[in-house]
Amino acid sequence: QKEVEQDPGPLSVPEGAIVSLNCTYSNSAFQYFMWYRQYSRKGPELLMYTYSSGNKEDGRFTAQVDKSSKYISLFIRDSQPSDSATYLCAMSGTSGTYKYIFGTGTRLKVLA
Amino acid sequence: SQTIHQWPATLVQPVGSPLSLECTVEGTSNPNLYWYRQAAGRGLQLLFYSVGIGQISSEVPQNLSASRPQDRQFILSSKKLLLSDSGFYLCAWGTSDTQYFGPGTRLTVL
Repeated sequence: QKEVEQDPGPLSVPEGAIVSLNCTYSNSAFQYFMWYRQYSRKGPELLMYTYSSGNKEDGRFTAQVDKSSKYISLFIRDSQPSDSATYLCAMSGTSGTYKYIFGTGTRLKVLA
Repeated sequence: SQTIHQWPATLVQPVGSPLSLECTVEGTSNPNLYWYRQAAGRGLQLLFYSVGIGQISSEVPQNLSASRPQDRQFILSSKKLLLSDSGFYLCAWGTSDTQYFGPGTRLTVL
């Protein structure tokens, strides 16, 4: 079993839709959770960062962490064609750790 | 603000040739530095990380090596490239809680 599982997609949605992207993980020691957006042939860009359980909102993006279920989500409201990219989840253990575990990414396409 | 640079952006090399990829970070001191490889349709594979000058940890045994000659400089090298070394190489720097990536180098080994 992989430490982090992420549906590869592709996920196609119409413009304006609410998008839900998800990751599951197996290591209960993970405390820090991140979402990255990666456009084709570019480096990943940090979108959201959360610590432990709960929700965090930033504009159209909401990150949710459910540690009891070992499940994290990224919601995108009012999706735009410019949101079309691959979304990577990542997580790490205690503060100061050197190692981050990444999902394989979900490819999202928002249709105009 | 912090900035991370990588070069070259694109590289095409023959099998058996040497490799040197460079990464530099601006705007931070004593960062943790990382090299990842991303193959098409696959996730990020951690190759090396460094917590300080001259301190390199390898995650995957292979024909690649890394060096950190200065606080904010990280170099990925190979003496002889293999076909399987083709991929997208990403440098990242980390705080205690997250990581920031550079623009990447696309390497094609022919």
